[in-house]
Amino acid sequence: DMKVTQMPRYLIKRMGENVLLECGQDMSHETMYWYRQDPGLGLQLIYISYDVDSNSEGDIPKGYRVSRKKREHFSLILDSAKTNQTSVYFCASSSPPTSNSDYTFGSGTRLLVI
Amino acid sequence: GQQVQQSPTSLVLQEGENAELQCNFSTSLNSMQWFYQRPGGSLVSVFYNPSGTKQSGRLTSTTVIKERRSSLHISSSQITDSGTYLCARLNNAGAKLTFGGGTRLTVRP
Repeated sequence: DMKVTQMPRYLIKRMGENVLLECGQDMSHETMYWYRQDPGLGLQLIYISYDVDSNSEGDIPKGYRVSRKKREHFSLILDSAKTNQTSVYFCASSSPPTSNSDYTFGSGTRLLVI
Repeated sequence: GQQVQQSPTSLVLQEGENAELQCNFSTSLNSMQWFYQRPGGSLVSVFYNPSGTKQSGRLTSTTVIKERRSSLHISSSQITDSGTYLCARLNNAGAKLTFGGGTRLTVRP
């Protein structure tokens, strides 16, 4: 099965702690994404990665950074987590050009910052 | 304001009723997608629908590019249709999705 795997599924962190969310895909997709989902806001794009070490800010990059050292792996890092970063984070991958439903999402990571 | 607006925000149906979900785009539309999200789950693409009408089983999507709108029709709803339906606009490069806020559908027996 082609899939996007996110780890961990659930995470509780204290304010100020560092957070690492990991995402892997087994489809050799070039493009990977990190989104966050909050009630009523749909999904908002944090970062997009076009390939290894080729990352671009999305719509809400503040407070986040990313790392992509291998095509199949894309990490989201929160340095000094804040309570307003409590959210559900989704990773996704696609192959260009994006068409015919080739977007694949992971199952999400539920992050609670207390 | 939001580039992608969905209506209604929530909808409750009795099993067997039909549903009509709307998606409107404030900027020019190149192509768009409909996604389904199970409660607490991941997103699954339902339709990639640049223009016109597409049907898959009980689901029908109609997109009118010039009017910057798309609709998703669910006929004879079933309890398993419950969840959140999200529409998203694809940017011109085809990489970035901009999502609407979603419609939360609840189908009751």
